[in-house]
Amino acid sequence: GAGVSQSPSNKVTEKGKDVELRCDPISGHTALYWYRQSLGQGLEFLIYFQGNSAPDKSGLPSDRFSAERTGGSVSTLTIQRTQQEDSAVYLCASTPELANNNEQFFGPGTRLTVL
Amino acid sequence: QQQVKQSPQSLIVQKGGISIINCAYENTAFDYFPWYQQFPGKGPALLIAIRPDVSEKKEGRFTISFNKSAKQFSLHIMDSQPGDSATYFCAARGGSQGNLIFGKGTKLSVKP
Repeated sequence: GAGVSQSPSNKVTEKGKDVELRCDPISGHTALYWYRQSLGQGLEFLIYFQGNSAPDKSGLPSDRFSAERTGGSVSTLTIQRTQQEDSAVYLCASTPELANNNEQFFGPGTRLTVL
Repeated sequence: QQQVKQSPQSLIVQKGGISIINCAYENTAFDYFPWYQQFPGKGPALLIAIRPDVSEKKEGRFTISFNKSAKQFSLHIMDSQPGDSATYFCAARGGSQGNLIFGKGTKLSVKP
């Protein structure tokens, strides 16, 4: 079956522009996570959705970052007024339900480059 | 403060050898410890995982050893193959939202 998909695969933007990154989770997965992977670093947790709800947004690096999820499916991560330090690979993962040791299935990521 | 420390950063092993990657954690509330494998341009994929009530788990050539008292766990890859060359991440689940906390990764190269 289809895995987690993300688009675009690559995004190059100019400093100060807004970008939208999209995640299509595996069908039926209720939990969705966004992580950021900077060069040579591990994955940094950004935000989690259970259904359409994000109970805690404190992992987002700044107020320029926002995310939403609609219909319990597609999620969009928006970065406003991008900065060079936002350059990273943004990964999305989904899992059938919260906790209970369920595997998080990752998408291929969106590589964001801010010039 | 880094909650999961991973070492080494890079590792070179000859084909057929044993690859060992170590991780240490700080928070005793962590309840699930997966290892992910990532190839260039791909997202991480779950390799093997363990819960803290088990000291060892083996799946094929991959084994996790877990030491709860020392708050350490390690991945052993037996009979390492060139196809195992990838970046490996240890992780721990303990975030309030079920999120994983990752180590910084180990780049493994298996030489033929």
